[in-house]
Amino acid sequence: DIQMTQSPSSLYASVGDRVTITCRASQSIGSHLNWYQQKPGKVPNLLVYAASSLQEGVPSRFSGSGSGTDFTLTISSLQPEDVATYYCQQSYMFAFGPGTRVDIK
Amino acid sequence: QARLVQSGAEVKKPGASVKVSCKASGYNFDGHYMHWVRQAPGQGLQWMGRINPYSGDATYAQRFQGRVTMTRDTSSGTLELSRLTYDDTAVYYCAREIGLSETTKWFDPWGQGTLVTVSS
Repeated sequence: DIQMTQSPSSLYASVGDRVTITCRASQSIGSHLNWYQQKPGKVPNLLVYAASSLQEGVPSRFSGSGSGTDFTLTISSLQPEDVATYYCQQSYMFAFGPGTRVDIK
Repeated sequence: QARLVQSGAEVKKPGASVKVSCKASGYNFDGHYMHWVRQAPGQGLQWMGRINPYSGDATYAQRFQGRVTMTRDTSSGTLELSRLTYDDTAVYYCAREIGLSETTKWFDPWGQGTLVTVSS
């Protein structure tokens, strides 16, 4: 099975900061990687699919990159409404990473 | 607009079974796999499996094999989990699969979630 890891597990950043979350696959998955945002008490919401394609309606401050085994989700300017846990997911067998919690400093 | 609406919260005793349903609307139900994902309190997302609504064929995550059954009816999917333990206490989500290719797929939308509590 393809295992997914994420780092860091949590982070605190100030409003306006650039935030980067890393996701790593245990073997190459090409660009078959999605990112979801889950706000506290809410349903997960798709942000990025196929590693770098932004879902319609998602603010442009979010971006995804990477291929093979290493991927990143970047928030270019952190906003208070971005407080959430972010999960990567590989789309071979749909396993999720353990999540990265993002809070405001 | 695609929408998934799930059945209400359940409380079950250890050893019992639970069924959670997911009603789809706003899209061609037969044209998209339906997935089930669970989330234990304070924990991450765990993929359980998926069903092809057209054929009824289901694929389950290895850790749930033998204990989970996914079925479908007209515009609805059902998850059944048997031999419940306290560790099965979680929110269970259904989600529609969208795909560009055999391996470029994602989940959108998700159902609102159903809390299943296992308690004696």
